[in-house]
Amino acid sequence: AQSVTQLGSHVSVSEGALVLLRCNYSSSVPPYLFWYVQYPNQGLQLLLKYTSAATLVKGINGFEAEFKKSETSFHLTKPSAHMSDAAEYFCAVRNTYGGSQGNLIFGKGTKLSVKP
Amino acid sequence: EPEVTQTPSHQVTQMGQEVILRCVPISNHLYFYWYRQILGQKVEFLVSFYNNEISEKSEIFDDRFSVERPDGSNFTLKIRSTKLEDSAMYFCASSGPSTGELFFGEGSRLTVL
Repeated sequence: AQSVTQLGSHVSVSEGALVLLRCNYSSSVPPYLFWYVQYPNQGLQLLLKYTSAATLVKGINGFEAEFKKSETSFHLTKPSAHMSDAAEYFCAVRNTYGGSQGNLIFGKGTKLSVKP
Repeated sequence: EPEVTQTPSHQVTQMGQEVILRCVPISNHLYFYWYRQILGQKVEFLVSFYNNEISEKSEIFDDRFSVERPDGSNFTLKIRSTKLEDSAMYFCASSGPSTGELFFGEGSRLTVL
């Protein structure tokens, strides 16, 4: 079975500081990996995705993530935090069994706070 | 830009009543999903739907839940005999044939009193 673990339910950084949100996955087959962001009272918006192409994936709003198979990780980073980055971030894994459109399994989420 | 739309944005119902949450997926998408998020908790998979049938469902999706694509554009989630613990934000999502990416609606908040 596939699963996702997000370390840290709450991360707080200063504006301009590095953002690092951790995600580790468990999958017996090559996974598809995603980061979604949820702003208060809104739906889920895709930040970026890994689908077995380049291991360093760039997303929207300056975020990027690196797929590391040896560490089963897909951590999300941004060099310089902005106040508007304050939101909840969800890592998700999707199975690729037999080419079927498997569902997404989400982590518990990490709430990012940005201090002025 | 095409998007997934959901109605209503907020539904309040009495315990034991039936509710229907509606979704209009992106028009050329073939795979449809419902997820829910109880306040303060993670997003949980409920059901996936493809080719007019359920392709996968979670243990949350018990026999009080049903999904339907009645007219080729709408995708509905019906919950019968609602319980207090059904109170949550329900997200609809759809995906195309190749990218693996799910596009989510803004959610329907269900409050069961």
